[in-house]
Amino acid sequence: DAGVTQSPTHLIKTRGQQVTLRCSPKSGHDTVSWYQQALGQGPQFIFQYYEEEERQRGNFPDRFSGHQFPNYSSELNVNALLLGDSALYLCASTLGQRFYGYTFGSGTRLTVV
Amino acid sequence: TQLLEQSPQFLSIQEGENLTVYCNSSSVFSSLQWYRQEPGEGPVLLVTVVTGGEVKKLKRLTFQFGDARKDSSLHITAAQPGDTGLYLCAGGGSGNTGKLIFGQGTTLQVKP
Repeated sequence: DAGVTQSPTHLIKTRGQQVTLRCSPKSGHDTVSWYQQALGQGPQFIFQYYEEEERQRGNFPDRFSGHQFPNYSSELNVNALLLGDSALYLCASTLGQRFYGYTFGSGTRLTVV
Repeated sequence: TQLLEQSPQFLSIQEGENLTVYCNSSSVFSSLQWYRQEPGEGPVLLVTVVTGGEVKKLKRLTFQFGDARKDSSLHITAAQPGDTGLYLCAGGGSGNTGKLIFGQGTTLQVKP
């Protein structure tokens, strides 16, 4: 039973560029949440997708956007990258928006230079 | 704004010692979760506590949720090198849906 799969695992981008990160949820899960984790810090909630709609959003600018597809997979897009966007981006999946039973992926390490 | 403060931020101990990690807030949470994260990996759920005063044990790990549901603690007995990692507490709001609020984490190093 595959867990949460994220791609790519590592990424290096230049300031001002745009990036797309991808997430496939655990089998049986229908909700995907994205978190940003800076080095040495706890994860911070970006947003949650359920039924292909953004359901809840954290304190992140509009440069951060997302999408959920009919097969429940999700993308996180970040435009106009800043050095401060360098972080580990984690995807977590669950069933029915519940945070019980969260399963996290291993993350995508984004470095902005 | 709900915040969770973890203490200590860093802990380096010898194998066999006991330790406690604290997670405190001025806000009430419907539940508290504890995660362990290793370098290059995502957090892995250890336990969820939902009732004020609840105590749960997982082998050498004991988790407690405060009576007022504003704080929690993780106690490890006879720590082993395999316990090394980043320990995160996370609080959930009402309805058990939506986002988790994470603490900043406690980095534990257990030396053999």
